[in-house]
Amino acid sequence: ETGVTQSPTHLIKTRGQQVTLRCSSQSGHNTVSWYQQALGQGPQFIFQYYREEENGRGNFPPRFSGLQFPNYSSELNVNALELDDSALYLCASSLGNWELEQYFGPGTRLTVT
Amino acid sequence: AQSVTQPDIHITVSEGASLELRCNYSYGATPYLFWYVQSPGQGLQLLLKYFSGDTLVQGIKGFEAEFKRSQSSFNLRKPSVHWSDAAEYFCAVGGGKLIFGQGTELSVKP
Repeated sequence: ETGVTQSPTHLIKTRGQQVTLRCSSQSGHNTVSWYQQALGQGPQFIFQYYREEENGRGNFPPRFSGLQFPNYSSELNVNALELDDSALYLCASSLGNWELEQYFGPGTRLTVT
Repeated sequence: AQSVTQPDIHITVSEGASLELRCNYSYGATPYLFWYVQSPGQGLQLLLKYFSGDTLVQGIKGFEAEFKRSQSSFNLRKPSVHWSDAAEYFCAVGGGKLIFGQGTELSVKP
C-alpha cells in the first residue's frame, strides 16, 4: 500500500510568483486535505477536497486554490506569493469526507524570497 | 471558538523517565481527539486517537492518552521515554478539518 506522497520536496519562489504543489493520496482514499505549517506553529487547515469538490475551507484568502483529479490526487495553487506564505505545506488523505483518521504526507517546504 | 492549547512549548526529560504532555481543547460538540508526532523535516504520524468509549486510549510506540471531559483535557503519557522519542508532538481536535495546537517539542537527555 502506497502512502501519501507530495512533490516537490522543497521549492524556492519569489514574492509575486505563483506555485503549484502536488499530492497523491493513499490508495483507496477519496478525500484530500491541505494544511499550512509555519515555522514553530501547528498545522492550519487550508481546505479539503472530496470527490473532486471543495468540501470545507479554512481562513485563507482566495489566492489559495486547489483541485482534485478523478484519481483523487490533488494540487494546491498559490497565486501572488507573499513572504508569509513560506511554510511547510502538508497534504493528508482519508477514506471519506468525514473520516476521522487522516494520513499525512511528508510535506513540501516552500520558501518565498 | 474551537481551539487547542498545548501549554508547554518545550519539555526536556531524561531517558527512562516518565513523560506527560498536556493538551486542553475547546470544542462545541463531542470532541474527536488526536495526538500526532513530527520528526524534523517529516510529516505527521498519528500516535493515537479518541472517538468515544474508554477514556484511556493506547497508541503506538508505548504512548497512551486519557480523555477528561470535565477538564477538557487529553494528555499524552509514556512511562519510560527513549532517546528516539525526541520530536515535536501535536494535539488536534476535530473531524474532517483538524485544529492543531502549537506543539510541544520534546528533548531527551541521555
